[in-house]
Amino acid sequence: GQQVMQIPQYQHVQEGEDFTTYCNSSTTLSNIQWYKQRPGGHPVFLIQLVKSGEVKKQKRLTFQFGEAKKNSSLHITATQTTDVGTYFCAGRGSRGGADGLTFGKGTHLIIQP
Amino acid sequence: EADIYQTPRYLVIGTGKKITLECSQTMGHDKMYWYQQDPGMELHLIHYSYGVNSTEKGDLSSESTVSRIRTEHFPLTLESARPSHTSQYLCASSVSSGLSGYTFGSGTRLTVV
Repeated sequence: GQQVMQIPQYQHVQEGEDFTTYCNSSTTLSNIQWYKQRPGGHPVFLIQLVKSGEVKKQKRLTFQFGEAKKNSSLHITATQTTDVGTYFCAGRGSRGGADGLTFGKGTHLIIQP
Repeated sequence: EADIYQTPRYLVIGTGKKITLECSQTMGHDKMYWYQQDPGMELHLIHYSYGVNSTEKGDLSSESTVSRIRTEHFPLTLESARPSHTSQYLCASSVSSGLSGYTFGSGTRLTVV
């Protein structure tokens, strides 16, 4: 079945440093979504990427979808304490999950002041 | 703010009890989902529904059951709670087109003693 791998599992950064999490699928995806979950909270939808090679920005966050539509990344510039949380990617393919949406295991971002 | 509501927010219950976790949304979404998530861990899909009278089991086997009699309501029931059911249960909904992300509720943190 479809698998979505996310790395790293944990990332410690100093406040102000950049952060990147990567998502890789075993199959070609029709689209990919990114979510953020604050500690003790629930996942919140950030963005969806659909087109091959697509790049979208939200303030300090940059999202990319690979040319082959099998990988994606989220990059945060100059992290702030408000960025703390777990970032999940969710890829939509042809099988698995509901709507074919499969979540990665998430990357926990820990920021040291 | 998300228009999807889960009750109760926290529940501590004894082994063998029957429980129902409530989930309601006011967005008119056809699709609804239940995920199970242990603290700091990945999301596991346990049930989903594409509309009234439609229910499907997710990727993770679960002893719970669901019903979808009304569009806005998607309750989850455990007939006999066990300590292994201790977890967080997250309800989510989305539009039918699949062109937008999921809206998650705040979750129910269940502890079975």
